[in-house]
Amino acid sequence: AQKVTQAQTEISVVEKEDVTLDCVYETRDTTYYLFWYKQPPSGELVFLIRRNSFDEQNEISGRYSWNFQKSTSSFNFTITASQVVDSAVYFCALSPEYGNKLVFGAGTILRVKS
Amino acid sequence: SQTIHQWPATLVQPVGSPLSLECTVEGTSNPNLYWYRQAAGRGLQLLFYSVGIGQISSEVPQNLSASRPQDRQFILSSKKLLLSDSGFYLCAFSPGGYGYTFGSGTRLTVV
Repeated sequence: AQKVTQAQTEISVVEKEDVTLDCVYETRDTTYYLFWYKQPPSGELVFLIRRNSFDEQNEISGRYSWNFQKSTSSFNFTITASQVVDSAVYFCALSPEYGNKLVFGAGTILRVKS
Repeated sequence: SQTIHQWPATLVQPVGSPLSLECTVEGTSNPNLYWYRQAAGRGLQLLFYSVGIGQISSEVPQNLSASRPQDRQFILSSKKLLLSDSGFYLCAFSPGGYGYTFGSGTRLTVV
């Protein structure tokens, strides 16, 4: 069975601080996909990144970066120089195969204070 | 372009009343379709998914049902709502596995 654990329930930082959101997953599949989504107060889920299990390259997109380590089954997300607009709930998710069920972690509430 | 429409945005229903939430997808054919629920302050739970017309898989036993009468239409229903059915319902589609796109959600309050 697949499982995603986001141990940090809530994180509060001051604007311009860097913050890392942790994600640990469990799966027996050799092929799988990892995702991060952002849920602002309005409720919609905003796609941030998809990574497949064969691509362990870290990725940077502006202030966002992701660190994928298969050895520790982790897919952590770092926001550099956080801004108030980054305040949201962030979900890590795992999909075992193409278009298959997406399993979510419990989410991490990020509060960025000015 | 591929889009997903979900309505209504908010809904307040009395206990024991029926429910019908609709989700439609445009710009793709034969997508996988999903219904998720998010209880207040909690994560997203997969309720149903469908890989084709008339094919529904239920993930958890509950008071809800789903149907897919057309390729790009996914409906979530209940004959009699319970207080515990309150939550934020999200429809999603996956066009061949290259990511998942979510609708804007329906906030259901059962009173």
